[in-house]
Amino acid sequence: QSMLTQPPSVSGAPGQRVTISCTGSSSNIGAGYDVHWYRQLPGTVPRLLIYANNNRPSWVPDRFSASKSGTSASLAITGLQAEDEADYYCQSSESSLRASVFGGGTKLTVL
Amino acid sequence: EVQLVQSGAEVREPGESLKISCKGSGFTFSIYWIAWVRQKPGKGLEWMGIIYPGASDTTTYSPSFQGQVTISADKSISTAYLQWNSLKASDTAMYFCVRHHGGGHFDSWGQGTLVTVSS
Repeated sequence: QSMLTQPPSVSGAPGQRVTISCTGSSSNIGAGYDVHWYRQLPGTVPRLLIYANNNRPSWVPDRFSASKSGTSASLAITGLQAEDEADYYCQSSESSLRASVFGGGTKLTVL
Repeated sequence: EVQLVQSGAEVREPGESLKISCKGSGFTFSIYWIAWVRQKPGKGLEWMGIIYPGASDTTTYSPSFQGQVTISADKSISTAYLQWNSLKASDTAMYFCVRHHGGGHFDSWGQGTLVTVSS
């Protein structure tokens, strides 16, 4: 089973903007399946951050946005805050809507 | 409130069997797909497989987990299960059950069950 590719780590200073990429293939993102993003704070359960490419649950501030194009997607965080330090995962469907695949995760460090 | 409550941490020896559970509440369990996700210590998330409790023979497994685990469900008690027949040390991980939204994302997560396999 293929995995989505994310950078292992990204970093930024408070107030800056960072982006996290997520690269897939023709069997997942490139097949037209939506991309979703999760945030996992240290020692906690992952939580849905972005769904269906660019939609935020009500608890997520508009500092978080995402986009999808072709076989890739990206998550952008503006106005970086210390509490944004976490692991971020992208997820999409793989060959069918019921099968899923995750990215390897990206550790965001706020300098 | 939508909730998925998982069974508690388990410690087993290699070769032993194990079945962990995930009980849903606050929603109609039988009409949602429920999936299992593995997270090894210090590692990322891995999708293991999924089941439709409304028709419990409707399961799909990741190729990486096919034949290694069994996913089942009992819709009468709103509970999904993840089972091993012969555990290995490499099965040591946190296991999450998740509710699969029709759009493909996981909109609710269980608290996780830590499985430790050690002799």
